[in-house]
Amino acid sequence: DAGVTQSPTHLIKTRGQQVTLRCSPKSGHDTVSWYQQALGQGPQFIFQYYEEEERQRGNFPDRFSGHQFPNYSSELNVNALLLGDSALYLCASSLVGYEQYFGPGTRLTVT
Amino acid sequence: KQEVTQIPAALSVPEGENLVLNCSFTDSAIYNLQWFRQDPGKGLTSLLLIQSSQREQTSGRLNASLDKSSGRSTLYIAASQPGDSATYLCAVKGNTDKLIFGTGTRLQVFP
Repeated sequence: DAGVTQSPTHLIKTRGQQVTLRCSPKSGHDTVSWYQQALGQGPQFIFQYYEEEERQRGNFPDRFSGHQFPNYSSELNVNALLLGDSALYLCASSLVGYEQYFGPGTRLTVT
Repeated sequence: KQEVTQIPAALSVPEGENLVLNCSFTDSAIYNLQWFRQDPGKGLTSLLLIQSSQREQTSGRLNASLDKSSGRSTLYIAASQPGDSATYLCAVKGNTDKLIFGTGTRLQVFP
């Protein structure tokens, strides 16, 4: 049974561009949460998707948006990239309200 | 607003020592507390999860305690090994489904 998977592993973008990160949840999970982890910091909650709707959101600007598909996979989109968006983006899946399982992350570098 | 603090920020010890990592949180109204391990540039591996009604959890050489009323948790690592070198993060979950993380303790165990 595959755990949480994320793609791509790494990517490099230029300021002002847009990026899409992808997450496939652990089998049987219906909820996906996204976190941003800057270097040397703990992960910060971005938002959570359940039943294809954004269920809750952290303190991130509208440049950060997401989507959940009927198969429970999810995308994180970031528009108008800033240098400060450089971070490790972590996806976690769960059954709603239960323990979250984390993927390996996507390392985004904005130049 | 919940805030999570971890002390020390970094720790370097010789192999074989018993270690204590500390985590404190400002709002005692938590649902559970979780300890994670993170290797450089990688995702999060869950080590122990303590429900708010529990006092401690044990897994192998790891033991985590929770004192909810005082807003504290400790992770005890017995007989440390070089393979234990990593960053250790604690996270609390309140009445929402998001995890709030500390900034981590970076542990190095040398032979």
